[in-house]
Amino acid sequence: GQQLNQSPQSMFIQEGEDVSMNCTSSSIFNTWLWYKQDPGEGPVLLIALYKAGELTSNGRLTAQFGITRKDSFLNISASIPSDVGIYFCAGLRSLIQGAQKLVFGQGTRLTINP
Amino acid sequence: DAMVIQNPRYQVTQFGKPVTLSCSQTLNHNVMYWYQQKSSQAPKLLFHYYDKDFNNEADTPDNFQSRRPNTSFCFLDIRSPGLGDAAMYLCATSSSGSTLPRGQFFGPGTRLTVL
Repeated sequence: GQQLNQSPQSMFIQEGEDVSMNCTSSSIFNTWLWYKQDPGEGPVLLIALYKAGELTSNGRLTAQFGITRKDSFLNISASIPSDVGIYFCAGLRSLIQGAQKLVFGQGTRLTINP
Repeated sequence: DAMVIQNPRYQVTQFGKPVTLSCSQTLNHNVMYWYQQKSSQAPKLLFHYYDKDFNNEADTPDNFQSRRPNTSFCFLDIRSPGLGDAAMYLCATSSSGSTLPRGQFFGPGTRLTVL
Protein backbone atom coordinates (compact mmCIF):
# COMPACT_ATOMS: atom_id res chain seq x y z
CA GLY A 1 0.00 0.00 0.00
CA GLN A 2 0.95 3.64 -0.21
CA GLN A 3 3.47 4.91 2.29
CA LEU A 4 4.78 8.37 2.92
CA ASN A 5 8.50 9.08 2.54
CA GLN A 6 9.78 10.09 5.95
CA SER A 7 13.35 11.17 6.62
CA PRO A 8 15.69 10.73 8.23
CA GLN A 9 15.02 7.15 9.32
CA SER A 10 17.19 7.62 12.41
CA MET A 11 18.90 10.44 14.25
CA PHE A 12 21.59 10.42 16.92
CA ILE A 13 21.93 13.79 18.62
CA GLN A 14 23.23 15.42 21.78
CA GLU A 15 20.85 16.60 24.46
CA GLY A 16 19.93 20.23 23.87
CA GLU A 17 20.19 20.06 20.07
CA ASP A 18 17.32 20.91 17.76
CA VAL A 19 15.78 18.18 15.61
CA SER A 20 14.08 18.34 12.23
CA MET A 21 12.30 15.60 10.30
CA ASN A 22 10.01 15.65 7.29
CA CYS A 23 7.52 13.68 5.25
CA THR A 24 6.64 13.85 1.59
CA SER A 25 3.87 12.29 -0.44
CA SER A 26 3.05 11.88 -4.11
CA SER A 27 -0.60 12.66 -3.37
CA ILE A 28 -2.48 15.36 -1.49
CA PHE A 29 -3.77 15.03 2.06
CA ASN A 30 -6.19 17.39 3.79
CA THR A 31 -4.90 16.53 7.24
CA TRP A 32 -1.39 15.67 8.40
CA LEU A 33 -0.69 14.12 11.78
CA TRP A 34 2.49 13.64 13.78
CA TYR A 35 2.68 10.83 16.36
CA LYS A 36 5.35 9.79 18.87
CA GLN A 37 5.70 6.19 19.99
CA ASP A 38 7.67 5.20 23.07
CA PRO A 39 9.05 1.63 23.30
CA GLY A 40 6.29 -0.83 24.17
CA GLU A 41 3.54 1.80 23.97
CA GLY A 42 1.00 2.98 21.44
CA PRO A 43 1.49 6.09 19.27
CA VAL A 44 0.49 9.38 20.89
CA LEU A 45 -0.86 12.21 18.76
CA LEU A 46 1.44 15.24 19.02
CA ILE A 47 0.18 17.68 16.41
CA ALA A 48 -2.59 17.74 13.82
CA LEU A 49 -2.46 20.05 10.79
CA TYR A 50 -5.55 20.94 8.77
CA LYS A 51 -4.71 23.78 6.39
CA ALA A 52 -2.06 24.15 3.72
CA GLY A 53 0.69 26.41 5.04
CA GLU A 54 -0.47 26.02 8.64
CA LEU A 55 2.27 26.27 11.29
CA THR A 56 1.35 24.80 14.68
CA SER A 57 3.28 24.53 17.93
CA ASN A 58 2.91 22.24 20.93
CA GLY A 59 5.49 23.23 23.54
CA ARG A 60 8.95 22.64 22.04
CA LEU A 61 7.40 21.00 18.97
CA THR A 62 6.56 22.88 15.79
CA ALA A 63 5.02 21.37 12.67
CA GLN A 64 4.05 22.82 9.31
CA PHE A 65 1.67 21.64 6.62
CA GLY A 66 3.22 22.25 3.21
CA ILE A 67 1.61 24.63 0.76
CA THR A 68 1.22 21.88 -1.83
CA ARG A 69 -0.43 19.59 0.79
CA LYS A 70 2.12 16.94 -0.13
CA ASP A 71 4.60 17.45 2.66
CA SER A 72 5.07 18.33 6.32
CA PHE A 73 7.93 18.83 8.74
CA LEU A 74 8.30 18.49 12.49
CA ASN A 75 10.88 20.39 14.53
CA ILE A 76 11.84 19.73 18.13
CA SER A 77 13.80 22.45 19.88
CA ALA A 78 16.26 21.94 22.75
CA SER A 79 15.88 18.17 22.88
CA ILE A 80 15.65 16.40 26.25
CA PRO A 81 16.01 12.70 27.13
CA SER A 82 12.24 12.07 27.15
CA ASP A 83 12.10 13.03 23.45
CA VAL A 84 13.63 9.62 22.64
CA GLY A 85 11.29 7.43 20.61
CA ILE A 86 9.95 6.87 17.12
CA TYR A 87 8.13 9.70 15.38
CA PHE A 88 5.60 8.88 12.67
CA CYS A 89 3.97 11.23 10.22
CA ALA A 90 0.58 10.23 8.83
CA GLY A 91 -1.64 11.58 6.10
CA LEU A 92 -5.35 11.26 6.82
CA ARG A 93 -7.95 10.30 4.26
CA SER A 94 -11.62 10.54 5.16
CA LEU A 95 -13.65 7.53 4.08
CA ILE A 96 -17.26 7.75 2.90
CA GLN A 97 -18.89 6.98 6.24
CA GLY A 98 -16.59 9.30 8.17
CA ALA A 99 -14.03 6.72 9.22
CA GLN A 100 -10.36 7.50 8.54
CA LYS A 101 -7.54 5.84 6.66
CA LEU A 102 -4.07 6.79 7.89
CA VAL A 103 -1.12 6.53 5.54
CA PHE A 104 2.04 6.38 7.66
CA GLY A 105 5.63 7.31 7.04
CA GLN A 106 8.36 4.80 7.87
CA GLY A 107 9.15 6.54 11.14
CA THR A 108 12.15 8.46 12.47
CA ARG A 109 13.94 6.87 15.41
CA LEU A 110 15.41 9.55 17.68
CA THR A 111 18.27 8.70 20.03
CA ILE A 112 19.73 11.30 22.40
CA ASN A 113 23.20 11.14 23.93
CA PRO A 114 23.24 12.82 27.34
CA ASP B 1 -9.48 11.16 31.59
CA ALA B 2 -11.00 9.87 28.36
CA MET B 3 -8.86 7.10 26.98
CA VAL B 4 -8.38 3.89 25.02
CA ILE B 5 -7.62 0.83 27.14
CA GLN B 6 -6.19 -2.47 25.95
CA ASN B 7 -6.05 -5.71 27.88
CA PRO B 8 -3.92 -7.57 28.43
CA ARG B 9 -0.75 -5.57 27.77
CA TYR B 10 1.19 -8.78 27.19
CA GLN B 11 -0.26 -12.04 25.89
CA VAL B 12 1.53 -15.33 25.33
CA THR B 13 -0.16 -18.07 23.35
CA GLN B 14 0.80 -21.33 21.75
CA PHE B 15 1.00 -21.95 18.03
CA GLY B 16 -2.54 -22.63 16.80
CA LYS B 17 -4.28 -21.79 20.09
CA PRO B 18 -7.03 -19.15 19.67
CA VAL B 19 -6.50 -15.87 21.44
CA THR B 20 -8.68 -12.79 22.04
CA LEU B 21 -7.42 -9.28 22.64
CA SER B 22 -9.71 -6.60 24.00
CA CYS B 23 -10.06 -2.86 23.65
CA SER B 24 -12.34 -0.43 25.42
CA GLN B 25 -12.74 3.34 25.11
CA THR B 26 -14.26 6.14 27.14
CA LEU B 27 -14.02 8.69 24.30
CA ASN B 28 -17.47 7.72 22.95
CA HIS B 29 -16.01 7.55 19.45
CA ASN B 30 -18.09 5.71 16.88
CA VAL B 31 -15.17 4.33 14.87
CA MET B 32 -12.74 1.73 16.23
CA TYR B 33 -9.69 0.28 14.46
CA TRP B 34 -7.32 -2.64 14.90
CA TYR B 35 -3.72 -2.42 13.72
CA GLN B 36 -0.83 -4.86 13.67
CA GLN B 37 2.65 -3.44 14.22
CA LYS B 38 5.85 -5.40 13.79
CA SER B 39 9.22 -4.29 15.06
CA SER B 40 10.45 -0.94 13.70
CA GLN B 41 7.55 -0.70 11.22
CA ALA B 42 4.56 1.57 10.96
CA PRO B 43 1.20 0.23 12.14
CA LYS B 44 -0.73 -1.78 9.53
CA LEU B 45 -4.52 -1.52 9.51
CA LEU B 46 -6.36 -4.84 9.82
CA PHE B 47 -9.99 -3.61 9.93
CA HIS B 48 -12.28 -1.04 11.42
CA TYR B 49 -15.83 -0.70 12.72
CA TYR B 50 -18.00 2.28 11.86
CA ASP B 51 -20.60 1.84 14.59
CA LYS B 52 -21.57 -1.80 14.02
CA ASP B 53 -20.50 -1.89 10.37
CA PHE B 54 -17.41 -4.03 9.91
CA ASN B 55 -14.85 -3.02 7.26
CA ASN B 56 -12.06 -5.45 6.46
CA GLU B 57 -8.83 -4.47 4.71
CA ALA B 58 -8.33 -6.47 1.51
CA ASP B 59 -5.05 -8.03 2.65
CA THR B 60 -6.11 -8.97 6.18
CA PRO B 61 -5.87 -12.76 6.58
CA ASP B 62 -9.05 -14.72 7.42
CA ASN B 63 -7.29 -15.84 10.59
CA PHE B 64 -8.11 -12.42 12.06
CA GLN B 65 -11.68 -11.67 13.13
CA SER B 66 -13.26 -8.91 15.17
CA ARG B 67 -16.35 -8.26 17.27
CA ARG B 68 -17.85 -5.04 18.53
CA PRO B 69 -20.69 -5.78 20.96
CA ASN B 70 -21.27 -2.12 21.85
CA THR B 71 -19.82 1.36 21.33
CA SER B 72 -17.23 1.02 24.06
CA PHE B 73 -15.75 -2.42 23.39
CA CYS B 74 -14.03 -4.12 20.48
CA PHE B 75 -12.30 -7.50 20.34
CA LEU B 76 -9.64 -8.97 18.08
CA ASP B 77 -9.81 -12.75 17.67
CA ILE B 78 -6.91 -14.66 16.17
CA ARG B 79 -8.27 -18.09 15.36
CA SER B 80 -5.05 -20.03 14.83
CA PRO B 81 -2.01 -17.91 15.67
CA GLY B 82 1.14 -18.62 13.72
CA LEU B 83 4.67 -17.55 14.52
CA GLY B 84 4.30 -14.73 12.02
CA ASP B 85 1.43 -13.25 14.01
CA ALA B 86 3.71 -12.29 16.89
CA ALA B 87 3.47 -8.51 16.98
CA MET B 88 2.13 -5.48 18.83
CA TYR B 89 -1.63 -5.10 18.30
CA LEU B 90 -2.95 -1.57 18.56
CA CYS B 91 -6.52 -0.42 18.98
CA ALA B 92 -7.46 3.10 17.93
CA THR B 93 -10.60 5.22 17.86
CA SER B 94 -11.83 8.25 15.99
CA SER B 95 -14.95 10.35 15.73
CA SER B 96 -16.74 10.68 12.42
CA GLY B 97 -17.92 14.15 13.37
CA SER B 98 -16.34 17.44 12.40
CA THR B 99 -15.00 18.30 15.84
CA LEU B 100 -11.28 18.83 16.23
CA PRO B 101 -8.79 17.37 16.65
CA ARG B 102 -9.25 14.99 13.74
CA GLY B 103 -7.09 11.93 13.94
CA GLN B 104 -6.97 8.53 15.57
CA PHE B 105 -6.29 7.95 19.24
CA PHE B 106 -4.36 4.82 20.06
CA GLY B 107 -4.36 2.54 23.06
CA PRO B 108 -1.12 1.32 24.68
CA GLY B 109 -1.13 -1.91 22.67
CA THR B 110 -0.99 -5.63 23.43
CA ARG B 111 2.31 -7.40 22.77
CA LEU B 112 1.50 -10.92 21.48
CA THR B 113 4.08 -13.70 21.72
CA VAL B 114 3.45 -17.01 19.94
CA LEU B 115 5.38 -20.03 21.19
